[in-house]
Amino acid sequence: KAGVTQTPRYLIKTRGQQVTLSCSPISGHRSVSWYQQTPGQGLQFLFEYFSETQRNKGNFPGRFSGRQFSNSRSEMNVSTLELGDSALYLCASSPDREDGYTFGSGTRLTVV
Amino acid sequence: DAKTTQPPSMDCAEGRAANLPCNHSTISGNEYVYWYRQIHSQGPQYIIHGLKNNETNEMASLIITEDRKSSTLILPHATLRDTAVYYCIALNNAGNMLTFGGGTRLMVKP
Repeated sequence: KAGVTQTPRYLIKTRGQQVTLSCSPISGHRSVSWYQQTPGQGLQFLFEYFSETQRNKGNFPGRFSGRQFSNSRSEMNVSTLELGDSALYLCASSPDREDGYTFGSGTRLTVV
Repeated sequence: DAKTTQPPSMDCAEGRAANLPCNHSTISGNEYVYWYRQIHSQGPQYIIHGLKNNETNEMASLIITEDRKSSTLILPHATLRDTAVYYCIALNNAGNMLTFGGGTRLMVKP
């Protein structure tokens, strides 16, 4: 079966712009989580959505937001980009808190 | 979720067993031990998880001590493709976020 698909794979944006990243979970998975990975901070949890509702949120500023659609696809948005937002953004899906979150390959965002 | 502690790096000879330790001394009774690995520039890959019994799948074995304060991930015959960062995570059965520590960078050498 198809895995978790994230688009785009690579993105370059300018400071102050906003960006939207997309994640299509595995079919049947209703939970979608987002993570940010940087060399300095490692892998950090951003937020999790289940059935279009945000269930949990990490310690990130309000510039980071997300949503989930009725087909479980999810988007995350970062507004007013800063240089420090350059990172690999990973999406993970699961049926619902069950064994094994499946991660996508990520979107590498570079802010210049 | 309980904090986990892992050595920052380990080496293993190709074909030998790789034993990766994890300390989770503050783990509570309903927290599972999960293992993931991340190969450079890819998303983390689920390996195995367990509660208190030892577990085995096609990728690895997980040995959890009787007091559940530590565990060991065993890759029985390490290959060069097993070179990755391995993360041990304690997660309760209602948990919906993975808290990644620094992990162990495993280098499999020919």
